[in-house]
Amino acid sequence: QKEVEQNSGPLSVPEGAIASLNCTYSDRGSQSFFWYRQYSGKSPELIMFIYSNGDKEDGRFTAQLNKASQYVSLLIRDSQPSDSATYLCAVPRMTTDSWGKLQFGAGTQVVVTP
Amino acid sequence: KAGVTQTPRYLIKTRGQQVTLSCSPISGHRSVSWYQQTPGQGLQFLFEYFSETQRNKGNFPGRFSGRQFSNSRSEMNVSTLELGDSALYLCASSFGTSTANSPLHFGNGTRLTVT
Repeated sequence: QKEVEQNSGPLSVPEGAIASLNCTYSDRGSQSFFWYRQYSGKSPELIMFIYSNGDKEDGRFTAQLNKASQYVSLLIRDSQPSDSATYLCAVPRMTTDSWGKLQFGAGTQVVVTP
Repeated sequence: KAGVTQTPRYLIKTRGQQVTLSCSPISGHRSVSWYQQTPGQGLQFLFEYFSETQRNKGNFPGRFSGRQFSNSRSEMNVSTLELGDSALYLCASSFGTSTANSPLHFGNGTRLTVT
């Protein structure tokens, strides 16, 4: 089982609709979770992070965390063509003495169609 | 505040050569991480440095090495290049001592092509 799993997509979403992206993780000890957006040919850009169970909203983005079920999701409301990108879920991994490694999922490609 | 700066942006090398990539973190950030990104493998962790010390290392051969200087700038080196080393190499910095509560901020990357 991969440490961080995402559906690769592409996820096709009509403009104005809600895009729903899911991420599952294997380490029950994980405490924080990050969502990055990566446009084609560009580097990843942090868009959300969440530490506590429940929902966290930031503009059109909502992150949802369920530690008991080991999944974190990202909702994009009122999707726009500019949201077309690959979304990466990332979870810190504890090593011998520090939380130094950020483990990334393979990413979900989102395509917003006008 | 300036972001993470990586140089060069593009590199073309031939097999067997070596290459050095440079990264300047965001001012005040002391942790620097390096990742390799390829279409097939996604983002793979190379190593992480904090206060000039390598704290974590990924599963890459010894041909991949790095270091961090006292001003937090970092370099990574790949020796005896192979075709499979062609990738986007990303540097990221963070403010805190732990990625658990201090998000990574990525540079624009160095695109390495090995021929």
